[in-house]
Amino acid sequence: EVQLVVSGGDLVQPGGSLRLSCAASGFTFSSYWMHWVRQAPGKGLVWVSRIKFDEITTSYADSVKGRFTISRDNAKNTLYLQMNSLTAEDTAVYYCATGSPTIDDYWGQGTLVTVSA
Amino acid sequence: QSALTQPASVSGSPGQSITISCTGSSSDVGGYNYVSWFQQHPGKAPKRVIYDVNKRPSGVSNRFSGSKSGNTASLTISGLQAEDEADYYCSSYTSSYTYVFGTGTNVAVL
Repeated sequence: EVQLVVSGGDLVQPGGSLRLSCAASGFTFSSYWMHWVRQAPGKGLVWVSRIKFDEITTSYADSVKGRFTISRDNAKNTLYLQMNSLTAEDTAVYYCATGSPTIDDYWGQGTLVTVSA
Repeated sequence: QSALTQPASVSGSPGQSITISCTGSSSDVGGYNYVSWFQQHPGKAPKRVIYDVNKRPSGVSNRFSGSKSGNTASLTISGLQAEDEADYYCSSYTSSYTYVFGTGTNVAVL
């Protein structure tokens, strides 16, 4: 069974940092692109970032470029999102999802990041 | 990276067909056949119902169909059922090597 388990969400102060993890199982993680997508409370989906299976090729939404870093460890079947210089606008549920390379069928359950003083 | 434009809400009676539009530009929807549609029920992760404009993932009902004309993509749900009541989002690959979602459409089954 395919599973993506997202963790790391928390309450953080403005300007702070947080690292999210997405642990994958049940499929060949190293063969898939991976995406991060977020959703602010009561709002729509927003694409954040993606990384190719080569662990090197990445792209970001303008709203997070220079502040967020996506990475992956294929040996550990885990995707990461390092988030720095957080603002209230980053408050959202963060999902990881597989890609081929477009976002496809497997999504994590999401983790809530709240940025507030 | 402006969000693709969708109607805020669409409604229909059981058994009817509805269509949701998704308007972008030549840099996203119009430039690539990489348009997907996602269904999201409250409190749940999204589920892909259409990819590459008009392809259905395995297990998705054939009541869902997709199309594209110019810079506008469309999702049609035929034979509307109560379980189709949800939020729907389109998504497209862009010329900036990024992705963009639509503003989202709430589908109500009357």
